[in-house]
Amino acid sequence: QKEVEQDPGPLSVPEGAIVSLNCTYSNSAFQYFMWYRQYSRKGPELLMYTYSSGNKEDGRFTAQVDKSSKYISLFIRDSQPSDSATYLCAMKAAGNKLTFGGGTRVLVKP
Amino acid sequence: EAGVAQSPRYKIIEKRQSVAFWCNPISGHATLYWYQQILGQGPKLLIQFQNNGVVDDSQLPKDRFSAERLKGVDSTLKIQPAKLEDSAVYLCASSLHVDTTYNEQFFGPGTRLTVL
Repeated sequence: QKEVEQDPGPLSVPEGAIVSLNCTYSNSAFQYFMWYRQYSRKGPELLMYTYSSGNKEDGRFTAQVDKSSKYISLFIRDSQPSDSATYLCAMKAAGNKLTFGGGTRVLVKP
Repeated sequence: EAGVAQSPRYKIIEKRQSVAFWCNPISGHATLYWYQQILGQGPKLLIQFQNNGVVDDSQLPKDRFSAERLKGVDSTLKIQPAKLEDSAVYLCASSLHVDTTYNEQFFGPGTRLTVL
């Protein structure tokens, strides 16, 4: 079993819809939870990070962490075609070693 | 601020050949990482440097992969000899330092390796 599980998609939504992404994990030592966006043939770029449980909002993006369920989510409101990309969740315990999920490919159709 | 630079961007080699990748991190970043990203998967850490010392190389296939960061700045990752399963994107990332709190990693564009 992988430490971090993520549905590979693809997830196709119409422009303006809410995109809902999630990851589950097994390592209870994880304390920091990140979401990265990766466009085709580019490196990942950080979207949001959250420490421990709770919600965090940044513009159209909302990240949620439920440590009791070992489950994290990312919501994208008012999705745009430019949001079409692969979204990677990542987590870390102490130190700076990141463990990534496999990524979910998202396609926002105009 | 300039980002993480990597070269070459693409490389095609035959199995059993050797290949090397180069990374120049963001200026002032003490920590450098090499990741392997196989198509359809998330990045997997191969090796982590703090300045010119190795912090973690537990997932580096040491029989064929090697990496160095001699002066604590640029780094090279080498594969010798390459196998078909080494086909992947090799990502370099850097961060200010390693500690127990959060420290953002900035990624380069990657080198796409195809082994035939």
